[in-house]
Amino acid sequence: DIQMTQSPSSLSASIGDRVTITCRASQSISTYINWYQQKPGKAPKLLISAASSLPSGVPSRFSGSGSGTDFTLTISSLQPEDFATYYCQESYSTPFIFGQGTRLEIK
Amino acid sequence: QVQLQQWGTGLLKPSETLSLTCAVYGGSFSGYFWSWIRQPPGKGLEWIGEISHSGRTNYNPSLKSRVTISLDTSKNHFSLKVTSVTAADTAVYYCARGLEVGALSWGQGTLVTVSS
Repeated sequence: DIQMTQSPSSLSASIGDRVTITCRASQSISTYINWYQQKPGKAPKLLISAASSLPSGVPSRFSGSGSGTDFTLTISSLQPEDFATYYCQESYSTPFIFGQGTRLEIK
Repeated sequence: QVQLQQWGTGLLKPSETLSLTCAVYGGSFSGYFWSWIRQPPGKGLEWIGEISHSGRTNYNPSLKSRVTISLDTSKNHFSLKVTSVTAADTAVYYCARGLEVGALSWGQGTLVTVSS
């Protein structure tokens, strides 16, 4: 199975900050990675697909980059509604593996 | 956009069988795989398995011996069964469409608790 190592596991930041979350795959997965945002008691919401594509309706302050084994999710200017937990997910092969999650908290 | 609505038994005793169903509204099964994912309280997401519109399945090896995912196209729903549950199976279970391309559509989640 592919392993996905996500860091940091938690992060404190302020409104307006630029934030970067990383995910490293244990083998090359090309650009087969998706990123999700999850708020308490809710299902995950897709933020980024195929490493860098934004689905319709996702704010442009979210961006994704990377290929091969190293990937990043960047929030360019944190807004109050962005405080949540973020997960990466590889879609290169089954079993699909999620990263351990990054909890983004208000400083 | 496709909407998913799920239901099933929320409280089970050890050794019983977990059974959940996910109904698909506003779309067909074609072109995607349909997944089940679970999340133990306070923990991360674990992919359980998936089924295609033709009935082809893929399962997480960690659960494969106990899991069955099936499809009923006439009723536009797909289902999950997990046999011989233990406390370790306590989690919120989600259905979702298209993890292979990024899952835009998710069910609302069902908390399943296993307790004697």
